[in-house]
Amino acid sequence: AQSVAQPEDQVNVAEGNPLTVKCTYSVSGNPYLFWYVQYPNRGLQFLLKYITGDNLVKGSYGFEAEFNKSQTSFHLKKPSALVSDSALYFCAVSPTGFQKLVFGTGTRLLVSP
Amino acid sequence: SAVISQKPSRDICQRGTSLTIQCQVDSQVTMMFWYRQQPGQSLTLIATANQGSEATYESGFVIDKFPISRPNLTFSTLTVSNMSPEDSSIYLCSAGTGPPRTDTQYFGPGTRLTVL
Repeated sequence: AQSVAQPEDQVNVAEGNPLTVKCTYSVSGNPYLFWYVQYPNRGLQFLLKYITGDNLVKGSYGFEAEFNKSQTSFHLKKPSALVSDSALYFCAVSPTGFQKLVFGTGTRLLVSP
Repeated sequence: SAVISQKPSRDICQRGTSLTIQCQVDSQVTMMFWYRQQPGQSLTLIATANQGSEATYESGFVIDKFPISRPNLTFSTLTVSNMSPEDSSIYLCSAGTGPPRTDTQYFGPGTRLTVL
């Protein structure tokens, strides 16, 4: 089955420190990968996606993600975390042959002042 | 990008009743989808709303329980029928404008449903 895994339920980081939210994938064919963020009582907001090309993808709010084919990973990163980055982050994959998204279980990011 | 609105934003319903959720996109889109997010859980695709034809349902979801309409390229509805407390979830609509698979899906704010 084509899927993504987010191994951490929660990530804690101090404001100003770099953050990483992990995602690994299992996809046959070319992997199309996405990151979304969900703030409390809000819908999902698109952050970035990897389709092809440069392995380092830059997105909204200073976030970036690195596609690593050998490790089948697509970790989300930010050089300096903000308290306002605290939210629920979802990694997603578009499976081969389907026009839909399969989401990971989500990782809650808590940034402390 | 597409701006998506949903109505209602939340509702509290009685067991056995039905609720219809509306999804409106500010531009014509090729694809529209309905997802469910149960409390504390990830998102699960319910169905793809196809314009001019019947929706395509994912495994575990059936048309009798979740009838979907898509009368045009900017609007869709999802009905949650004969509700039970297990249907308490956030229901999200999404839409895409570009090529399949590589396209970015944009999401509405969601409808928070509580069934008593």
